Amino acid sequence: QVQLVESGGGLVKPGGSLRLSCAASGFTFSDYYMTWIRQAPGRGLEWVSYISSGGDTIYYADSVKGRFTISRDNAKNSLYLQMNSLRAEDTAVYYCARDPVVTAIDYWGQGTLVTVSS
Amino acid sequence: DIQMTQSPSTLSASVGDRVTITCRASQSIGNWLAWYQQKPGKAPELLVYKASSLQSGVPSRFSGSGSGTEFTLTISSLQPGDFATYYCQQYNSHRTFGQGTKVEIK
Repeated sequence: QVQLVESGGGLVKPGGSLRLSCAASGFTFSDYYMTWIRQAPGRGLEWVSYISSGGDTIYYADSVKGRFTISRDNAKNSLYLQMNSLRAEDTAVYYCARDPVVTAIDYWGQGTLVTVSS
Repeated sequence: DIQMTQSPSTLSASVGDRVTITCRASQSIGNWLAWYQQKPGKAPELLVYKASSLQSGVPSRFSGSGSGTEFTLTISSLQPGDFATYYCQQYNSHRTFGQGTKVEIK
């Protein structure tokens, strides 16, 4: 069965950095686009970034462009999100998700909480 | 960027009611629209993709329709487990979510 397990969240000061990881299993990771989505406390869903199966196509939401970097290691079945220059408004649960493109985002991890506060 | 607007933001309904949620896109997205259900403390779950295709395992009381800029999600007979927040999402150009519709008990 498809499993996505995020890790790396925690408390960080404004201006700090954090690297999130997502371990994938139960499917051929290298066949799929992957996406990061976040949800601030009590708020709606916000798409953050996606990366193509081979890693050659990457897009970011304007709110994180220039600060966040998405990457993947197909040999390790892992997805990453490097987050720099963090702001209070980046506080959210960050979800890793499988993105088959044609059939929409179909599997989500359980999420990891990132809190940016002094 | 494509903006997605859902209405209503909150909907009060009873078990057995027929419920309709609307999602409008700021420009045409063809049929590249999905609907998700999210319960408190849980990750969202995919209900409908390509505007009207039901995801495997999703009950048939859920249905989606529309194309271009206007879409609807209908629950034909609301069940106790359907009280949740619903999000539309376009995937024609990058990805954008609507702001959500909370379906609460009347």
